[in-house]
Amino acid sequence: QLQLQESGPGLVKPSETLSLTCTVSGGSISSGSSFWGWIRQSPGKGLEWIGTMYYSGSTYYNPSLKSRVTISVDTSKNQFSLKLTSVTAADTAVYYCVRHPSYSSNSFYGMDVWGQGTTVTVSS
Amino acid sequence: QAVLTQPSSLSASPGASASLTCTLRSGINVGTYRIYWYQQKPGSPPQYLLRYKSDSDKQQGSGVPSRFSGSKDASANAGILLISGLQSEDEADYYCMIWSSSALVFGGGTKLTVL
Repeated sequence: QLQLQESGPGLVKPSETLSLTCTVSGGSISSGSSFWGWIRQSPGKGLEWIGTMYYSGSTYYNPSLKSRVTISVDTSKNQFSLKLTSVTAADTAVYYCVRHPSYSSNSFYGMDVWGQGTTVTVSS
Repeated sequence: QAVLTQPSSLSASPGASASLTCTLRSGINVGTYRIYWYQQKPGSPPQYLLRYKSDSDKQQGSGVPSRFSGSKDASANAGILLISGLQSEDEADYYCMIWSSSALVFGGGTKLTVL
């Protein structure tokens, strides 16, 4: 059974970079049948898609966050990561890593597996 | 105007059916979109319920009971999640989602109370 687990600092200072890692178990991140992404949820903005990537390196980002987001993969560790630069209090949220089933090498469906989520607070 | 609009709350009785709507913004035709539905209970991540575009393009999430089903109301430009035979465990927040303008977009969610 595919499982995803987020890890990373729970507190980040304003203007710094938020970095999270998602460890995939029960399946291979490079299987080709999946895309991998990040979603966040805050009381103020609800659920927000951050971005999604394929193991080959193709990435798809939310236009509203694109200038600050990088999603990358480490196939040797079966992990993928999120970096969000220049954070502010508005980036305080629960961050989820997710899996998207693929239907081609450049197309994917909506998320069908979610990690438990990790809370990130932006504060000095 | 938000891309997807959901009623903030809905109440229904055990054993009854509940119809949760997800209305697309004017100018966005519901017929061309896959609509995804998620259920979220307090303290837990959202769980995938199903996706629906048409009767020939739909998928039930793994382990999701058949009493959860999707449809569309073209006249209202809305996607619908129908939950039949409501149970107390169905009390949760429900979110719809579509792919629009190069982004996955969520509705604001409906809090379903079963009482």
